[in-house]
Amino acid sequence: GQQLNQSPQSMFIQEGEDVSMNCTSSSIFNTWLWYKQDPGEGPVLLIALYKAGELTSNGRLTAQFGITRKDSFLNISASIPSDVGIYFCAGANAGGTSYGKLTFGQGTILTVHP
Amino acid sequence: DTEVTQTPKHLVMGMTNKKSLKCEQHMGHRAMYWYKQKAKKPPELMFVYSYEKLSINESVPSRFSPECPNSSLLNLHLHALQPEDSALYLCASSRPDRPHYGYTFGSGTRLTVV
Repeated sequence: GQQLNQSPQSMFIQEGEDVSMNCTSSSIFNTWLWYKQDPGEGPVLLIALYKAGELTSNGRLTAQFGITRKDSFLNISASIPSDVGIYFCAGANAGGTSYGKLTFGQGTILTVHP
Repeated sequence: DTEVTQTPKHLVMGMTNKKSLKCEQHMGHRAMYWYKQKAKKPPELMFVYSYEKLSINESVPSRFSPECPNSSLLNLHLHALQPEDSALYLCASSRPDRPHYGYTFGSGTRLTVV
């Protein structure tokens, strides 16, 4: 089945630094989603990408849908302590037996030192 | 209202108990999902409901029994669980016509089987 390779697995950064993480797939997706999860909570949707080549921002976050449809990246600028958490990418294809299924990356654990 | 509400937040049950997890959304979504998540791992899809009908069962053991009594509610009935079933159980909902739009997760139920 489809698998997503998310990297890095973890990051330890200083407050104010920029962060970059990415996901690659062996097959194409027509939707990429980026989620952040805090301990004991459910994933919260940060950015959704629905078109190859699309670049979307949400405050200090920027994400892009790769032109090959097999990859996506998420950048966080000027990190702050509340950025701490686990970031997941998820790919999806609409329709058929894939209806509603999200394929998740393994997650990037982000730690921000004040 | 852009929330998915799950109750209870925490549940401890014995292996012979019967319990139920509840999920409610009022976003008009007609696709609802159950996921299981182990610590620091990505969520794993269990069930998909579309227009109150079960459309996907990811080979989940019969000790987990989903139910969708109406378009706003989703239940997960639990019976004779094993300790390895301890996990965070997440409910999610989305638009059924474009299932990857508005894909929103609840905060989850932390289940411990003793």
